[in-house]
Amino acid sequence: GNSVTQMEGPVTLSEEAFLTINCTYTATGYPSLFWYVQYPGEGLQLLLKATKADDKGSNKGFEATYRKETTSFHLEKGSVQVSDSAVYFCALRGGDKLIFGTGTRLQVFP
Amino acid sequence: NAGVTQTPKFRILKIGQSMTLQCAQDMNHNYMYWYRQDPGMGLKLIYYSVGAGITDKGEVPNGYNVSRSTTEDFPLRLELAAPSQTSVYFCASTHDGTGELFFGEGSRLTVL
Repeated sequence: GNSVTQMEGPVTLSEEAFLTINCTYTATGYPSLFWYVQYPGEGLQLLLKATKADDKGSNKGFEATYRKETTSFHLEKGSVQVSDSAVYFCALRGGDKLIFGTGTRLQVFP
Repeated sequence: NAGVTQTPKFRILKIGQSMTLQCAQDMNHNYMYWYRQDPGMGLKLIYYSVGAGITDKGEVPNGYNVSRSTTEDFPLRLELAAPSQTSVYFCASTHDGTGELFFGEGSRLTVL
């Protein structure tokens, strides 16, 4: 069946460091892929998405490229800020449902 | 913009009690979802609906029931609450199931 695997956290970085959060998926066909972010005490919100192979989603300095060869959708940011501290979820669309990974907590210190 | 509204935000239940978590959206979305989020875990889908009068089970439906009599509302009922149902519950909606979900702020439920 469809599933999403994310790297475990927490990821702890200093401000302005480079960020990578790994995400791989198992699915039939080529599902749409997503990154959602959850700030403390809030619901999830869409960060970026990609709907087909080789697409690059980007938003707020974050990027992720849909790689069908490696079934991956890794999240990257060149220079993180303290305000990026949150939990990040990778997800794929399977039929009418969105299937989420377990989430990766990012902590950025000044 | 109200978006997706969940009530209550917090609730404490005793074992065996029942309650309903309310979810309403004002975006005329067809698809609505209930997820639960346990500490350190991802989101698990409980139930979902692709339109009024249609509901379907997700990964973890046991102990819950839903109904969808209108496009706007998608209440989640807990029957005979158990400690294993202690969690944060999120309702979400989307217009056409393409994956861009809009989430409510969550309802934190504790069963003692």
